[in-house]
Order: sequence, then structure tokens, then C-alpha cells
Amino acid sequence: DAGVTQSPTHLIKTRGQQVTLRCSPKSGHDTVSWYQQALGQGPQFIFQYYEEEERQRGNFPDRFSGHQFPNYSSELNVNALLLGDSALYLCASSSRESSHGYTFGSGTRLTVV
Amino acid sequence: GQQVMQIPQYQHVQEGEDFTTYCNSSTTLSNIQWYKQRPGGHPVFLIQLVKSGEVKKQKRLTFQFGEAKKNSSLHITATQTTDVGTYFCAGRSNYKLSFGAGTTVTVRA
Repeated sequence: DAGVTQSPTHLIKTRGQQVTLRCSPKSGHDTVSWYQQALGQGPQFIFQYYEEEERQRGNFPDRFSGHQFPNYSSELNVNALLLGDSALYLCASSSRESSHGYTFGSGTRLTVV
Repeated sequence: GQQVMQIPQYQHVQEGEDFTTYCNSSTTLSNIQWYKQRPGGHPVFLIQLVKSGEVKKQKRLTFQFGEAKKNSSLHITATQTTDVGTYFCAGRSNYKLSFGAGTTVTVRA
């Protein structure tokens, strides 16, 4: 049973560029949440997708957008990258019936230079 | 907005000793979850508490949810080197799961 898969694992971008990160949820999960984790800090909620809709959003600017596909996989897009966007981006999947919390992927390490 | 706070930020423990980490939310939570993140790794789900006053145990780990559903604690007995990592509490309100800053645990052998 595959867990959560994220790609790419590492990425280096230049300020002002755009980036797309991808996530395949755990088999049987239908909800995907995205988090940003800066070094030494807890994960910060970006948004959650369910049934291809953004269900809730955290305190992130509109430069951060996402999408969920019919197969439940998801993308996170960040436009006009800033140096401060450098972080580990984590995707977490879950099921509404689950009492097993979120299953996290290994993350994408984004460095903006 | 909802804030989840954890103390202490760092916990240095002698192997074999006990310690407790605490979590407080600014709002009432529908549930609270605990995760462990090893250095260089990703958060791994440990447990979920839903009921007011609920207590759950996993071997040497004891988790408690406060009566007002605004605070929680994790107590580890007889700490081992395998307990090294950062422990996060995460409070659920509506669809949002908000993480605390974590307690980073180091163990002296």
C-alpha cells in the first residue's frame, strides 16, 4: 500500500520564478492538505483540497494556489517566488472516516535564490 | 485565528528519565493529534484524542486531552534514545489542522 508520494524531492528556483509541486495521496485517501515547514518550525497550513475544491485556506497570499484532480492527486503552485518561500513543502493525505490522522509525504525541499 | 502553543521548545533528557510536553490552544478543538518528526524526516502520526478528558497510552507514551478541549499533554516514561525527535501537537478546528512549534527532544545516554 503506497504512502504519500511527493515530487520533486529537491528544487532550486530563482526569485520571481514559478514552481509546481506534486502530490499523490495514500491509497484510499480523498483529502489532501499542503503545509509549509520552515527550518526549526512547525508545519504551517496552506490549504486543503477535497472533491477537487479548496475547502479551507490558511494565512498564505494568493501567490499560493492549488488543484486537486479526479484521482485525488494534487498540485501546489507558487508564483513570483520570494526568498522567504524557501522551505520544506509537505503534502498530507487523509480520509474523512479515518481516525488515523494525516499521512505525510517526505516533502519537497524548495530553495529560492 | 486559532493558535497552538507548545512548551518546552527543547527538552534534554537523561536516558531512563521521564518528561512531559504540553500543548495549549487559543480555541476549543474538535480533536487533537500528536505527531513525531525525526531529524531530516517528515511528521508521523502518533495518536488522535477526541473526547474531553480522554487519556490514551502507547507503551511508554501517555497522551491526555484536557477537560475544556483546549490543552493536551504527552508524557514519556523511561526515555530511550529512540525517542529522539520533535513532537508536534496539532489541533483540529473545522477542516484545518494547526500545528504547534514542537518540542525537540534530545537524549543523553
